Amino acid sequence: AQKITQTQPGMFVQEKEAVTLDCTYDTSDPSYGLFWYKQPSSGEMIFLIYQGSYDQQNATEGRYSLNFQKARKSANLVISASQLGDSAMYFCAMRGRNQAGTALIFGKGTTLSVSS
Amino acid sequence: DTGVSQDPRHKITKRGQNVTFRCDPISEHNRLYWYRQTLGQGPEFLTYFQNEAQLEKSRLLSDRFSAERPKGSFSTLEIQRTEQGDSAMYLCASSEQGLENTEAFFGQGTRLTVV
Repeated sequence: AQKITQTQPGMFVQEKEAVTLDCTYDTSDPSYGLFWYKQPSSGEMIFLIYQGSYDQQNATEGRYSLNFQKARKSANLVISASQLGDSAMYFCAMRGRNQAGTALIFGKGTTLSVSS
Repeated sequence: DTGVSQDPRHKITKRGQNVTFRCDPISEHNRLYWYRQTLGQGPEFLTYFQNEAQLEKSRLLSDRFSAERPKGSFSTLEIQRTEQGDSAMYLCASSEQGLENTEAFFGQGTRLTVV
């Protein structure tokens, strides 16, 4: 079965610092996609970044980058130059080709708190 | 495009009552998903539509839950005889078909409280 594990319930960082949010995954499917979403207190899930299992390079989107280590089955999110508006829940998710259709499977999330 | 919209945003109901939620996906998206999120957890998949066809249902979707997407556009999720354990955030998402690497776009959710 596919599974996403996020072991950090909460992370604290100061403005302008970089932070890494951990994510490990488990799947037997050779083809899969990994996603990170941000959920502010308003509740909406906001897509941040995507990494495909066959992508040779780590994905980057502005201040977000994904540290993809396929052999270790990890897909950590790195946020550079943290901002107060980055305070939110962050979810790692996986989509496989043959499990639950094309639905995303989410981890339990990490709460990020950015202070000034 | 206004994104995925859900109605209502909040619903408080008495145990045993029926409730219905609505989701309007992004217009060109033919895939629509319902998720449930309880406090401190990530969203859990409930069901998935491609156009008007319901292609997948999670074991979480008990017989009291039913979802429809009659014309392949908006979708409704009904919960009959609500229980306190149904209290959660119900999220709707949509995505394009055939693009496995594309993200699902989520609505802001309907927060259900059963008292």
